[in-house]
Amino acid sequence: SQQGEEDPQALSIQEGENATMNCSYKTSINNLQWYRQNSGRGLVHLILIRSNEREKHSGRLRVTLDTSKKSSSLLITASRAADTASYFCATAPSTGSARQLTFGSGTQLTVLP
Amino acid sequence: DGGITQSPKYLFRKEGQNVTLSCEQNLNHDAMYWYRQDPGQGLRLIYYSQIVNDFQKGDIAEGYSVSREKKESFPLTVTSAQKNPTAFYLCASSKSTGTGMYTGELFFGEGSRLTVL
Repeated sequence: SQQGEEDPQALSIQEGENATMNCSYKTSINNLQWYRQNSGRGLVHLILIRSNEREKHSGRLRVTLDTSKKSSSLLITASRAADTASYFCATAPSTGSARQLTFGSGTQLTVLP
Repeated sequence: DGGITQSPKYLFRKEGQNVTLSCEQNLNHDAMYWYRQDPGQGLRLIYYSQIVNDFQKGDIAEGYSVSREKKESFPLTVTSAQKNPTAFYLCASSKSTGTGMYTGELFFGEGSRLTVL
């Protein structure tokens, strides 16, 4: 079963605009992670936010976490054509089990030049 | 450079054949994973291993087999029992974040695309 579900499934914006993607999950977590996947490539880790954190920044990325609503958002500011990719959230359970890091189905972001 | 190497990048299989996908890491990570990705979908866990000579089934292990004879290597065999093997396969690794805990980031290889002819 998939723990994280991203919304929207696809997003198309103009270069320079901000892109916001959301992730919802069902059970208690240790942390939530965001990954990026370029077409036909492996996933690359972007950012990790722990369950006791509410917001985290990394360059043009801003991640928020609301554990009461079991949701997270990823904001990419001043988007570039090179940001075109699929973005996945993944949740690490509070049990810390290696087995249970689960991925959502992803948001396909297209940034138009 | 440290990382994960998957090979081959593309693989074609005839029905009834077994094929083996290679995954090697030089990150000194304890845990290794195999995921399957179908078009437009997320990742589904096939097998994972936290220690040499031990591995556990994931959500979709039927028709697959693995071995972990060395810390650096975690090959995946797609057997003829796997009815729909055409997919993109991703290998990943992670380091322990505490005794039996694996909550940190995953490091992925570039993937292997398997097509059944």
